[in-house]
Amino acid sequence: NAGVTQTPKFQVLKTGQSMTLQCAQDMNHNSMYWYRQDPGMGLRLIYYSASEGTTDKGEVPNGYNVSRLNKREFSLRLESAAPSQTSVYFCASSEGLGGQRDGYTFGSGTRLTVV
Amino acid sequence: QKEVEQDPGPLSVPEGAIVSLNCTYSNSAFQYFMWYRQYSRKGPELLMYTYSSGNKEDGRFTAQVDKSSKYISLFIRDSQPSDSATYLCAMSEGRTGGFKTIFGAGTRLFVKA
Repeated sequence: NAGVTQTPKFQVLKTGQSMTLQCAQDMNHNSMYWYRQDPGMGLRLIYYSASEGTTDKGEVPNGYNVSRLNKREFSLRLESAAPSQTSVYFCASSEGLGGQRDGYTFGSGTRLTVV
Repeated sequence: QKEVEQDPGPLSVPEGAIVSLNCTYSNSAFQYFMWYRQYSRKGPELLMYTYSSGNKEDGRFTAQVDKSSKYISLFIRDSQPSDSATYLCAMSEGRTGGFKTIFGAGTRLFVKA
């Protein structure tokens, strides 16, 4: 099925460890996003890439870095994980920036626990 | 105060009931209004979008926007157990706001058979 694929689906890290969350879309979308979802907080934008070759900070970028590897792939890296980064992470893509008309297509999420 | 407020629920209704889900917001510049549905352990999926004020209908779903009251609603008619999910409202200014989309925290809905 066409869509957004995220790996891994689950991960447990120790404080201070690093890891990279992978995301790939096969819909030829220009824009890609990383969100985190926490109870009672809604989805909060971490970083986004309006098009291949560009990345920008979102609402909560501290502690994260991103790479838009090509049009299909957008990765999120935690350099030194902290318990506050325990969350569910969603990658999303859209044809145009913001996805107002066509919406975002989300992946199934990565459940990350930092102990 | 959050830019977008949404009652977290849970909201429990019997099968066949009409469901009303709502969000309020504070930013009068929002022009695009969206509803996403999120099943447990899945990513959100776009259900409906509305530009500016007015109503939009799609099958059993109706989205309403009242910009004067800064209030949006999603109505589900003849609710089914398969409608049990978390419903997220989302809003955006569009180009003037840098295309940022603000999401509500979501309302959990349970439809009992």
